[in-house]
Amino acid sequence: KQEVTQIPAALSVPEGENLVLNCSFTDSAIYNLQWFRQDPGKGLTSLLLIQSSQREQTSGRLNASLDKSSGRSTLYIAASQPGDSATYLCAVSDNTDKLIFGTGTRLQVFP
Amino acid sequence: DTAVSQTPKYLVTQMGNDKSIKCEQNLGHDTMYWYKQDSKKFLKIMFSYNNKELIINETVPNRFSPKSPDKAHLNLHINSLELGDSAVYFCASRASGSSYNEQFFGPGTRLTVL
Repeated sequence: KQEVTQIPAALSVPEGENLVLNCSFTDSAIYNLQWFRQDPGKGLTSLLLIQSSQREQTSGRLNASLDKSSGRSTLYIAASQPGDSATYLCAVSDNTDKLIFGTGTRLQVFP
Repeated sequence: DTAVSQTPKYLVTQMGNDKSIKCEQNLGHDTMYWYKQDSKKFLKIMFSYNNKELIINETVPNRFSPKSPDKAHLNLHINSLELGDSAVYFCASRASGSSYNEQFFGPGTRLTVL
């Protein structure tokens, strides 16, 4: 049974820092991995999707990497801003089409 | 230009009542999902439909009955609501023919059962 874990559970950093959020999964037979952002009381916004054949994806200040064999992904946020404050979720999908979510990392960036 | 929309946004009701949540997507996708986010913020899939056909049913109590009148809509009807049904319910969709397989989520419906 696939399990997805995210570390740390919460993170508080000053503005401008570069930071790394970690995601690990127990079964490497994934189809893709998706990173989401969730603001309080809001829905999920897809940030990046990495297919199983890819190693990384980049969008602006965000870079996500995938090491399928070791069951790990990282989300790198460069030059963090207060507007980056949110909960970040990673999710993996397998050939059954469902997304299995991690426990989330709650990020706070203070000015 | 809303992509995935849900109604209502908030739903407060008494135990034992029957309620429905509606979801619509205008992305032209053919696969739709319901996810539940519990009080600890953990998200878990409930159902998926492809072209109006049920594909995934994750051992959800049969008080929950999804219905897909067409591939742009997936509604969730809940009978005999219980306190433990209180959660945020998210609808999502994707294009099954896409190799990218990205799921797009609605804004969520916060259900509170009193």
